[in-house]
Amino acid sequence: AQKVTQAQTEISVVEKEDVTLDCVYETRDTTYYLFWYKQPPSGELVFLIRRNSFDEQNEISGRYSWNFQKSTSSFNFTITASQVVDSAVYFCALSEDGTGGFKTIFGAGTRLFVKA
Amino acid sequence: DGGITQSPKYLFRKEGQNVTLSCEQNLNHDAMYWYRQDPGQGLRLIYYSQIVNDFQKGDIAEGYSVSREKKESFPLTVTSAQKNPTAFYLCASSLTGTVVNQPQHFGDGTRLSIL
Repeated sequence: AQKVTQAQTEISVVEKEDVTLDCVYETRDTTYYLFWYKQPPSGELVFLIRRNSFDEQNEISGRYSWNFQKSTSSFNFTITASQVVDSAVYFCALSEDGTGGFKTIFGAGTRLFVKA
Repeated sequence: DGGITQSPKYLFRKEGQNVTLSCEQNLNHDAMYWYRQDPGQGLRLIYYSQIVNDFQKGDIAEGYSVSREKKESFPLTVTSAQKNPTAFYLCASSLTGTVVNQPQHFGDGTRLSIL
């Protein structure tokens, strides 16, 4: 069965610190997709990144980087030199190719507080 | 600008009342979704629709109903059968519902509370 675990409920850091948000997933499929979304206080989720199961290359986008490791079923998200605007709830999500298409499973989210 | 519009932002329901949450998109997306978000929990899928005039139940469909008469619109009705409707409701869309690698685009939600 699909499952996404974000063990960190809340994280608090001071501005300019680096912070890593953990995501561990479970799936029986060999083809699947992992996503990170950001939910700022305004409420809407904003798509950040997608990674497919065959691409284990790490990715960097500005201050954001993602580390995908199939061996540990993890897809962790690091924010370098955090800023107050990074304060939000971050969700990791999993979609499997074999389920008929439409089901994306979301983790419970990690609330990040960045203090000035 | 293209996007998803949810209304109202806040909604109050009386006992025994049905209420309808609106979701409109101008992204020309085929697939649309409704999620419920409770504090400390992830998003749970209520209903989804791959195409006009078709929709499927998600994990927690009991007490809810939807329609998809137009591509742009996917309203959600919270019926009196839903005994615990207080939550944050998010509508989303994706380009297609037939390929699971499509990211979803979200509205900014409706917060529903019981009076």
